[in-house]
Amino acid sequence: GEDVEQSLFLSVREGDSSVINCTYTDSSSTYLYWYKQEPGAGLQLLTYIFSNMDMKQDQRLTVLLNKKDKHLSLRIADTQTGDSAIYFCAGGMNNNAGNMLTFGGGTRLMVKP
Amino acid sequence: GAGVSQSPSNKVTEKGKDVELRCDPISGHTALYWYRQSLGQGLEFLIYFQGNSAPDKSGLPSDRFSAERTGGSVSTLTIQRTQQEDSAVYLCASSPTSDTQYFGPGTRLTVL
Repeated sequence: GEDVEQSLFLSVREGDSSVINCTYTDSSSTYLYWYKQEPGAGLQLLTYIFSNMDMKQDQRLTVLLNKKDKHLSLRIADTQTGDSAIYFCAGGMNNNAGNMLTFGGGTRLMVKP
Repeated sequence: GAGVSQSPSNKVTEKGKDVELRCDPISGHTALYWYRQSLGQGLEFLIYFQGNSAPDKSGLPSDRFSAERTGGSVSTLTIQRTQQEDSAVYLCASSPTSDTQYFGPGTRLTVL
């Protein structure tokens, strides 16, 4: 099955850019997702990218996909203290059996004032 | 609009008891997923419902786990004879299409 790996922790200063990285093993993932989880809360869908794209921008968020290296990144511009959370990348197969997501272990982003 | 809701938000039970966890998906969403988030295993897929089709149970960890979805809407995840390793946050997600899933706040289950 799919393996998805993320670094555990990232610390940045408010106003800087954050880059959270993810690697995956299964190149047949149809979609790749970024979710945000704040303490005690569920998963909030931030953005996703279709596997035939290499970049997607949505306001302060930029997703880059390198299919050759099976590497996905999420860049948050002008990081704010409210961005402090755990960020999960996930891959989805989207076949007739549904779109079960395989998640990475999550990257804890800490934003210092 | 209303998102995915789950109840209860917290459940503490004794080892060996049965528990039922409920998920109310977003109205009109045909697909419903259950996941489990635990410290040791991260986020794992459990079961998937799509419309009236037979569910995909490939992620259920044992036969003590079962789920049903009545009328294509509300879903109940049942864990029989709970064990301490069942302690986790159980997350439900619903999806209008095959590309996006929206998650509920989860039910934190603690088995003593």
